[in-house]
Amino acid sequence: QSALTQPRSVSGSPGQSVTISCTGTSSDVGGYNSVSWYQQHPGKAPKFMIYDVNKRPSGVPDRFSGSKSGNAASLTISGLQAEDEAVYYCCSFAGSYTLIFGGGTKLTVL
Amino acid sequence: EVQLVESGGGLGQPGRSLRLSCAASGFNFDEYGMHWVRQAPGKGLEWVSGITWNSGSIGYADSVKGRFTISRDNGKDSLYLQMNSLKSEDTALYYCAKRVANGWGLDHWGQGILVTVSS
Repeated sequence: QSALTQPRSVSGSPGQSVTISCTGTSSDVGGYNSVSWYQQHPGKAPKFMIYDVNKRPSGVPDRFSGSKSGNAASLTISGLQAEDEAVYYCCSFAGSYTLIFGGGTKLTVL
Repeated sequence: EVQLVESGGGLGQPGRSLRLSCAASGFNFDEYGMHWVRQAPGKGLEWVSGITWNSGSIGYADSVKGRFTISRDNGKDSLYLQMNSLKSEDTALYYCAKRVANGWGLDHWGQGILVTVSS
C-alpha cells in the first residue's frame, strides 16, 4: 500500500488552467474507474470534488474535471480563481474495500 | 443536512487503547459505507479503514491492520474505531467520512478529532 504519486506543487495565474497528476499501479488507479479528488484548505476538512474518475458532485463548478489513462489520473482546473488555492488529494479504490490516497499537491494561484 | 461528529479523541499512551465514535445524522446511515481517514500534523491524508453498510466488507490500511477495529451500529447511526496498541505514529486528526451513493468517493466529512499518542 504505497501512496499514489502526486507532484508536490503546481501553480498558475488567474484564468489559466492547471493539471494535477496522480500515478498509481494496476492494483489501484489502473485497475478500477474509482479515482476521487479532494480539495483541502488550511484548517478545514477535505471537500469532495470528483469521483469515479470524472463525475462531479452537485455544487462543484464545471471548471473542475477529471480523467484517467492507464495507471495515471488527472485533475484539471480551468479558469483558475484565487479561491482554488489549496492542497488537492487524489484517492483510488485498491480492492478488498481499501482506499489509497496520494501525497497531496499544493496549488498556488499566482 | 448531513452531519458527522467525531468524539473520543485525546491523549493516549503508547501501547494503550482509545475508541473513536462518529455520530451521523441527516441521511439514512444504514444505506452507506463509512470510512475513517487520518491526517498527521502537517502531513497528507491517509485512509485508515472502511466498512460497508451491513458490515459485510471491512478493509484496513496495512499500518493499522491487527491493531484497529472498525465497527458500526446502524440502530444508533454511529461508526466506531477501536484503536489498540497505540503508537506515536498514530498521532493525527481522525476524520469520519461517508461514501457517496453509487460510486467511489467520500462525499461528506466530519470536522475531525485529534488523537495524540505520547507518554
